[in-house]
Amino acid sequence: DARVTQTPRHKVTEMGQEVTMRCQPILGHNTVFWYRQTMMQGLELLAYFRNRAPLDDSGMPKDRFSAEMPDATLATLKIQPSEPRDSAVYFCASGLVAGGDTQYFGPGTRLTVL
Amino acid sequence: EDQVTQSPEALRLQEGESSSLNCSYTVSGLRGLFWYRQDPGKGPEFLFTLYSAGEEKEKERLKATLTKKESFLHITAPKPEDSATYLCAASHYGGSQGNLIFGKGTKLSVKP
Repeated sequence: DARVTQTPRHKVTEMGQEVTMRCQPILGHNTVFWYRQTMMQGLELLAYFRNRAPLDDSGMPKDRFSAEMPDATLATLKIQPSEPRDSAVYFCASGLVAGGDTQYFGPGTRLTVL
Repeated sequence: EDQVTQSPEALRLQEGESSSLNCSYTVSGLRGLFWYRQDPGKGPEFLFTLYSAGEEKEKERLKATLTKKESFLHITAPKPEDSATYLCAASHYGGSQGNLIFGKGTKLSVKP
């Protein structure tokens, strides 16, 4: 049963600290998305990659957020320095463009910045 | 502006009481309309994709339909385990292939 995996599932940190979230997309999927979900804003697209190349990161605060895909099996989202307003659930999703636009989501990382 | 709007924000039903959730979309050339289910503390789970007006898809007590302006998720004789937030999303030819625009969801509660 192919699934998107994310680590860590929960992260509590203090303001100013660096946070790194990791995602393993479904094997064979060529598109990876990072979302942030809050009660107020719902799901917001932060960035996405196709064939490991960044296509759009306009949803990310560029001064503190960065996203990379070091290889086809790993995507990372980094926040440095973290702020309390970054507290949210961060989801990774993957998809195969040739198979339509369906995205499959991971379980999320719940981030709390104190 | 491309957007997806869901209504109502919240819906409370008694077990067995059928109803519908609405998703209206304004996008430049719809590629696909997606429904997801999200349980508390979990990621959205894919349910359906609809590609053209008039298309319908069913899964257990759920049936999704699509018109040129909106989609409906019909829930027939719901059970408490159908309680979740249902998200609608659209992909469109005016945007990057694979990119979805999400609505804010309808939170469904089914009481026994």
